[in-house]
Amino acid sequence: GAVVSQHPSWVICKSGTSVKIECRSLDFQATTMFWYRQFPKQSLMLMATSNEGSKATYEQGVEKDKFLINHASLTLSTLTVTSAHPEDSSFYICSAVPGGLGETQYFGPGTRLLVL
Amino acid sequence: EDQVTQSPEALRLQEGESSSLNCSYTVSGLRGLFWYRQDPGKGPEFLFTLYSAGEEKEKERLKATLTKKESFLHITAPKPEDSATYLCAPTEGGGSEKLVFGKGTKLTVNP
Repeated sequence: GAVVSQHPSWVICKSGTSVKIECRSLDFQATTMFWYRQFPKQSLMLMATSNEGSKATYEQGVEKDKFLINHASLTLSTLTVTSAHPEDSSFYICSAVPGGLGETQYFGPGTRLLVL
Repeated sequence: EDQVTQSPEALRLQEGESSSLNCSYTVSGLRGLFWYRQDPGKGPEFLFTLYSAGEEKEKERLKATLTKKESFLHITAPKPEDSATYLCAPTEGGGSEKLVFGKGTKLTVNP
């Protein structure tokens, strides 16, 4: 149980284009989802907290107009990287918290983004 | 100032050689401390949650313990498949559900 998927698993795009990453909880409903970014040999850095039906809460230093988050249902959150640039290349990972089952975050497999 | 410090940064063990990983934290108002395992190129895999000092949890060759300032992940008789980066993440404090991740300990177990 508590399986989280991400799509795509990797993406290569040209500078200036937008990329959408999906995060789905497959066997539970998630009222809260989190988006993280991880650079090589670094730990996970929280980007934003996403609650179903409300606006995402962004961490300090994260541009909300660049990283658009939509949590439209209890099983799906999306992260759109708008006008991507090479410095946005990273490993993006989402996590989901099963509603009513405590605070354990279950992570997706991650999405590798390379912006050329 | 780092809220979470994991040591050592890297650890090499021979198969069967037991050891411990350390996680020191300075957050107050802790709601829980989480241990995850991360394989290269993958998302973290949940291992344990510890909620109060003195608590211990076990899973196969792993045992996690918690004090007011530290958590330890003990690995008994490790196998090569235990090779991974182990991440410690206490909640942010002040009642927050957000996790603060340490930089991890990269464990390599040689056959």
